[in-house]
Amino acid sequence: AQSVAQPEDQVNVAEGNPLTVKCTYSVSGNPYLFWYVQYPNRGLQFLLKYITGDNLVKGSYGFEAEFNKSQTSFHLKKPSALVSDSALYFCAVRDGSSASKIIFGSGTRLSIRP
Amino acid sequence: DADVTQTPRNRITKTGKRIMLECSQTKGHDRMYWYRQDPGLGLRLIYYSFDVKDINKGEISDGYSVSRQAQAKFSLSLESAIPNQTALYFCATSDFIQGANTQYFGPGTRLTVL
Repeated sequence: AQSVAQPEDQVNVAEGNPLTVKCTYSVSGNPYLFWYVQYPNRGLQFLLKYITGDNLVKGSYGFEAEFNKSQTSFHLKKPSALVSDSALYFCAVRDGSSASKIIFGSGTRLSIRP
Repeated sequence: DADVTQTPRNRITKTGKRIMLECSQTKGHDRMYWYRQDPGLGLRLIYYSFDVKDINKGEISDGYSVSRQAQAKFSLSLESAIPNQTALYFCATSDFIQGANTQYFGPGTRLTVL
């Protein structure tokens, strides 16, 4: 069965420091992986996705994610955090049993302190 | 987010009442989804639709029903609301490019059942 795990409920980072939000997955077949961000009182916004090709995927707002097949991970990263990056981040994987469905992780709250 | 709209944005109702949440989209996507979000549980899929004639149950469809009135409209109904249906509800659409179904979310409806 497909699944996605975000092992950290919360990540705290000082502004200007690099940040990493972790995600691991379990899928049958080729993985299709996504990151979404949710700001307060807003819907989720698409950040980036991995389909195939380069393991480092670049997305919106300066975020990038590294696909690691051997470790089944898809960690979200940013070289220099901003206070405005504080939000709830969701990793997701396409459901292998139904190409139209997405399975979401439980979310990681990122807090950037000034 | 403006491409996917939800009404109402907030609703407080009583146990046993019938409630309808509405979703409209201008993205031209065939695929539409209803999710609920609960703290610590991420997003869980209630129903999804590939087109006007296609409706599919998600992982938590009990107590809910949907109607796809047109390509652009997908409504969610709670026939007899109960307190544990208090949650944040999101409508989403998706494209399907290179096998990846990127989702685009509405702003959400906060439903409280007393």
